[in-house]
Amino acid sequence: QQKVQQSPESLTVSEGAMASLNCTFSDGTSDNFRWYRQHSGKGLEVLVSIFSDGEKEEGRFTAHLNRASLHVSLHIREPQPSDSAVYLCAMSLPMYNNNRIFFGDGTQLVVKP
Amino acid sequence: NAGVIQTPRHKVTGKGQEATLWCEPISGHSAVFWYRQTIVQGLEFLTYFRNQAPIDDSGMPKERFSAQMPNQSHSTLKIQSTQPQDSAVYLCASSFTGPNERLFFGHGTKLSVL
Repeated sequence: QQKVQQSPESLTVSEGAMASLNCTFSDGTSDNFRWYRQHSGKGLEVLVSIFSDGEKEEGRFTAHLNRASLHVSLHIREPQPSDSAVYLCAMSLPMYNNNRIFFGDGTQLVVKP
Repeated sequence: NAGVIQTPRHKVTGKGQEATLWCEPISGHSAVFWYRQTIVQGLEFLTYFRNQAPIDDSGMPKERFSAQMPNQSHSTLKIQSTQPQDSAVYLCASSFTGPNERLFFGHGTKLSVL
């Protein structure tokens, strides 16, 4: 069973409209979640880190975590065409006597001017 | 700060040849990770070093793949007898101390095995 699942697979929004991405996870014991994004041909960059239920804002990016419902979301305020990228949700879990990071398959976001 | 540096950016090998991928982590980071990224599988964990010591290599294919970190400034991922299914983008990441912290990723090495 995949530990982290993202939806939607792809999302197209107009510039300035809120973009909302979702991530569900199968293990509620983690308290370490991050959203990354990857522009085409580039490495991943971290956007928001969240470690407790509630909300965490980093500039135009806001993450909401609800571990009881096994859900973490990312909201992008006033998205711009330069925000077009693949967005990945990541969860850290203890495994193999260390912590393993599990990534979702990503959401392809397209922001139209 | 140049970030995590991976070389080469692109590598093309013939089936059966060896491929070595290089990674230079951010100075001061003690944890180095290798991931493989394909469209089908997404991001797959391969291996993880802390203070140059291998901590978790449970994601490494048992044959043909090996990783080393001979010093704190670079790590290598070696694939022997490359196969077409090894074609992927190989991403290296580093963090200050380990997986619970944000990872800084390199741009990746795109390996194409013909």
